[in-house]
Amino acid sequence: QKEVEQDPGPLSVPEGAIVSLNCTYSNSAFQYFMWYRQYSRKGPELLMYTYSSGNKEDGRFTAQVDKSSKYISLFIRDSQPSDSATYLCAMRPNTGTASKLTFGTGTRLQVTL
Amino acid sequence: KAGVTQTPRYLIKTRGQQVTLSCSPISGHRSVSWYQQTPGQGLQFLFEYFSETQRNKGNFPGRFSGRQFSNSRSEMNVSTLELGDSALYLCASSLGPGGAYEQYFGPGTRLTVT
Repeated sequence: QKEVEQDPGPLSVPEGAIVSLNCTYSNSAFQYFMWYRQYSRKGPELLMYTYSSGNKEDGRFTAQVDKSSKYISLFIRDSQPSDSATYLCAMRPNTGTASKLTFGTGTRLQVTL
Repeated sequence: KAGVTQTPRYLIKTRGQQVTLSCSPISGHRSVSWYQQTPGQGLQFLFEYFSETQRNKGNFPGRFSGRQFSNSRSEMNVSTLELGDSALYLCASSLGPGGAYEQYFGPGTRLTVT
């Protein structure tokens, strides 16, 4: 079983919909949680970065972390066709300098007109 | 501020050859991490360098190696290439090592091994 599980999709929604993307994880040591967006044939772009549990909002994006359930979410409000991309969750423990980033496999999102 | 740059962007090599990829981090960033991305395995961590020292290493064979220079630029080398090494190799930079720092990725080098 992978340390981080993410539904690969594809997830297809109409423009203007609220999108919910999720990841579950098994390693209780994970403390830092990130969401990246990756367009085809590009490198991942950091969208959200949170530490421990709680919510964080940035424009149309909201990240939620529930450490008790080992579950993180990314919500996208008023989705746009330009949001069509693969969304990757990533996380790492707080073990000083020797901690690696572990990624989910990514969810492919398609926002249709 | 310029982002992370990687060269070359595309590379085609033959099985058995070796390859060197280069990464220049964001100005002021001193930590560089390397990742391999494939359709089957997703993004997998290779290694992380900070202050010219390897701080962490992923589960890859010894054919994969790297180094960091005093100006924080980094190179990774893959020797005796195998078909399975075909992948997108991504470099990410951060201000420092460890989880407290955000990582920013470059566009990647797409390596094809024939």
